[in-house]
Amino acid sequence: NAGVMQNPRHLVRRRGQEARLRCSPMKGHSHVYWYRQLPEEGLKFMVYLQKENIIDESGMPKERFSAEFPKEGPSILRIQQVVRGDSAAYFCASSPPDETQYFGPGTRLLVL
Amino acid sequence: AQSVSQHNHHVILSEAASLELGCNYSYGGTVNLFWYVQYPGQHLQLLLKYFSGDPLVKGIKGFEAEFIKSKFSFNLRKPSVQWSDTAEYFCAVTTYSGGGADGLTFGKGTHLIIQP
Repeated sequence: NAGVMQNPRHLVRRRGQEARLRCSPMKGHSHVYWYRQLPEEGLKFMVYLQKENIIDESGMPKERFSAEFPKEGPSILRIQQVVRGDSAAYFCASSPPDETQYFGPGTRLLVL
Repeated sequence: AQSVSQHNHHVILSEAASLELGCNYSYGGTVNLFWYVQYPGQHLQLLLKYFSGDPLVKGIKGFEAEFIKSKFSFNLRKPSVQWSDTAEYFCAVTTYSGGGADGLTFGKGTHLIIQP
């Protein structure tokens, strides 16, 4: 059973560009979570999604950030007009009904 | 909102020493508790978890943790560490809101270095 997949693993963008991060949950998992890890910080919860629904987006910045988990295909975290402060590692996790979250390898975003 | 505090940001031990990493959380309701480990260059892996039942939880690689509700603590222990335990350790908590697990709240992590 493949684990949580994330791509790309590394992403470089210039200020003002858009970043799209993808996450494919483990087979059978219908819950997806996105976290951000800034340098020297722990992971911070951003958003929790189920298929076609955003359950909790209390950790998402109010502007420029959006997330979706369509009926088919991976979950997407989208950052519009990136700024240097968006540079971080973005982790996706998925969970089965017992609520244990399993993490992907992360996408390291660097904004130049 | 809940928060998680890990007392030590950096810990250096010699091989065969005993380990205890502190974790305290603040939340008055029912919680699920986790320890994750991130080895150098790898992604987060689950070490162990507590949902209910026996407060002494055993995980992989000889780790265990004890949930003490009165102290809001979930400390991680290992009686004899190995060089391969060098990693970043994260304590995390989540609450169950009825519609599924909430997002995890993480501590800032403890960087453990084991000297051979």
